[in-house]
Amino acid sequence: EADIYQTPRYLVIGTGKKITLECSQTMGHDKMYWYQQDPGMELHLIHYSYGVNSTEKGDLSSESTVSRIRTEHFPLTLESARPSHTSQYLCASSHLGTSGNSYNEQFFGPGTRLTVL
Amino acid sequence: GQQVMQIPQYQHVQEGEDFTTYCNSSTTLSNIQWYKQRPGGHPVFLIQLVKSGEVKKQKRLTFQFGEAKKNSSLHITATQTTDVGTYFCAGLGSAGNQFYFGTGTSLTVIP
Repeated sequence: EADIYQTPRYLVIGTGKKITLECSQTMGHDKMYWYQQDPGMELHLIHYSYGVNSTEKGDLSSESTVSRIRTEHFPLTLESARPSHTSQYLCASSHLGTSGNSYNEQFFGPGTRLTVL
Repeated sequence: GQQVMQIPQYQHVQEGEDFTTYCNSSTTLSNIQWYKQRPGGHPVFLIQLVKSGEVKKQKRLTFQFGEAKKNSSLHITATQTTDVGTYFCAGLGSAGNQFYFGTGTSLTVIP
């Protein structure tokens, strides 16, 4: 069983609020990811990180930011939540691979279900 | 932009029947991964394919990577109720920096 945790599991907030979704992993993985997934739909990459002080934008990065100050921690912040942000947010991690090109499996956290009223 | 499509979107089968989902990319992929997501759960890694034309088997599951590395398939022989879930492919783009998830195939197995 993968050791990757997300809090909160469920969150209901009002429009305009600033929120931070937490993600932590204890596997020492270099690479971490944030995905957004609507029910029954595909996963869209929001942000990813190769390691400490590395952050990259995915295809769906607008209106959110991430930080990677510690290897095990990769929080996602929405500066001003809107109803369109209502979705499930999945955090994942993986080893980078010895050659930098041999990507390994992604371990997913349980997700945060966000509802913005 | 990068697009990864899967067909069919939904599949209902009788228990014991076979099932196949197909994954097609608009561009050549470096490698491809397959994940299974149970209802209400999170994606769980199944396998990774790297080589052109590669075929891998896991018990009743057979995975293929196309010769052109633009498509892949997952075949389940003699489905069981435990196979229920959504199956996603995830292709690593040629730039090697991020995986693009497919649209998923939701499998329902009727006992």
